[in-house]
Amino acid sequence: NAGVTQTPKFQVLKTGQSMTLQCAQDMNHEYMSWYRQDPGMGLRLIHYSVGAGITDQGEVPNGYNVSRSTTEDFPLRLLSAAPSQTSVYFCASSLLAGSTYNEQFFGPGTRLTVL
Amino acid sequence: KQEVTQIPAALSVPEGENLVLNCSFTDSAIYNLQWFRQDPGKGLTSLLLIQSSQREQTSGRLNASLDKSSGRSTLYIAASQPGDSATYLCAVSRVNRDDKIIFGKGTRLHILP
Repeated sequence: NAGVTQTPKFQVLKTGQSMTLQCAQDMNHEYMSWYRQDPGMGLRLIHYSVGAGITDQGEVPNGYNVSRSTTEDFPLRLLSAAPSQTSVYFCASSLLAGSTYNEQFFGPGTRLTVL
Repeated sequence: KQEVTQIPAALSVPEGENLVLNCSFTDSAIYNLQWFRQDPGKGLTSLLLIQSSQREQTSGRLNASLDKSSGRSTLYIAASQPGDSATYLCAVSRVNRDDKIIFGKGTRLHILP
């Protein structure tokens, strides 16, 4: 199993550009989520999904869209990039939502810089 | 609202010492608590997961305990090594319809050779 994969690893955007961060998992996990990690702020939840076709907002959803058309993929779209979105983005997945055994597995991250 | 706190934010100890990292949470209605390790510039690696009905979990030199009633968890590292230097984060999965995972900000650990 490849686990949780993210592409690209690094990205530089100009203000106003749009792009999609890709996340995929091959473990047949129901639960997938996106976090951003900033110095001094820790990990903050952007969006999450408890299964195909179901998504919901986390703490910091503004400026981001998600969809979950398949169990495997959970892309994160930046609609119009802003310098405040410069961050490291992590995708995570776990087998079941709302379970005592929903161990989280993380991808390697995408480092995004918005100029 | 569930809040997760990790104190201290940073810790330096000489190699070979046993050490304890702390994690506290405000709402005891959780499914589980998970400890992660993060190396600089890398993703998060799962270390231990403690289910709500469990009191502790062990893996090698690591032992994690959970006391739901007091809202506390500890990660015990025995015979620390320079390779243990990393940031350690805890996260709780709360019992709620929104199924959110809440993270602490982590403890940055430095083991002195």
